[in-house]
Amino acid sequence: AQRVTQPEKLLSVFKGAPVELKCNYSYSGSPELFWYVQYSRQRLQLLLRHISRESIKGFTADLNKGETSFHLKKPFAQEEDSAMYYCALKGGGFKTIFGAGTRLFVKA
Amino acid sequence: EAGVTQFPSHSVIEKGQTVTLRCDPISGHDNLYWYRRVMGKEIKFLLHFVKESKQDESGMPNNRFLAERTGGTYSTLKVQPAELEDSGVYFCASSQLHAAGYGYTFGSGTRLTVV
Repeated sequence: AQRVTQPEKLLSVFKGAPVELKCNYSYSGSPELFWYVQYSRQRLQLLLRHISRESIKGFTADLNKGETSFHLKKPFAQEEDSAMYYCALKGGGFKTIFGAGTRLFVKA
Repeated sequence: EAGVTQFPSHSVIEKGQTVTLRCDPISGHDNLYWYRRVMGKEIKFLLHFVKESKQDESGMPNNRFLAERTGGTYSTLKVQPAELEDSGVYFCASSQLHAAGYGYTFGSGTRLTVV
C-alpha cells in the first residue's frame, strides 16, 4: 500500500537554526516525491520535487530509497518559513498521497 | 495565467442539506483532482478527472458525494445530504496531462462546516 508518514505534527526551531522535516514513504515501485507548503492564509503550493533535485527558498530534499525517506532540510531557518509542510507521494498513475503534515514554527 | 479557482470559499450548512462546490482549473489542464482535509487529519484523495472522464474515484467516501465535470472544464462536487463528518476543507487541484514529475496547482479550498 502507498503511504506517507510525517512523524512530527509540530516542529519548533529558533531562527538561524537548522531544520529537518521528516518524511518516510511506503511504495513498492519508483516513487515521485514532493514537498508542498501552505503559508498562513495562502493556498497549498508546490515547494519542490525530487525529480528536479532543486533548492527552493534554501530548502532541499534528497530521496533515499534505502531508507524510503525524503526529508526536507534547510541549514538556517527563517521566520518566514513558518508554515504547514506536506510530504507527498505520486505512485502509479496521477493520484498523489499526502502525509498528515508538519507545522513548522520558527521563533525569533 | 489564472490559477485554480474554487468557490465558495466558506460554506456553513445544516445537516441534511445539500451543498455544491465548484472548481475552475487552469485552462488547458486536463487533469482535475478533488481532495479533502478533515480537521487534524491528512489531505485525502477523493477523485481524479481526465477531461470529462472520471479516471479514479476510489477516494469518494460514499454515494452522498457526486462529482461532475461536464465538457471537461470546471467541476462540481455535490454533497447530498450533508452529514456532520463531511466538515472539512475541500481542495481542488489541476495538472497538465502527461506531466509526470510535475506537481499540482491547488485552489484555495472550500471550508465546509456542517452543523
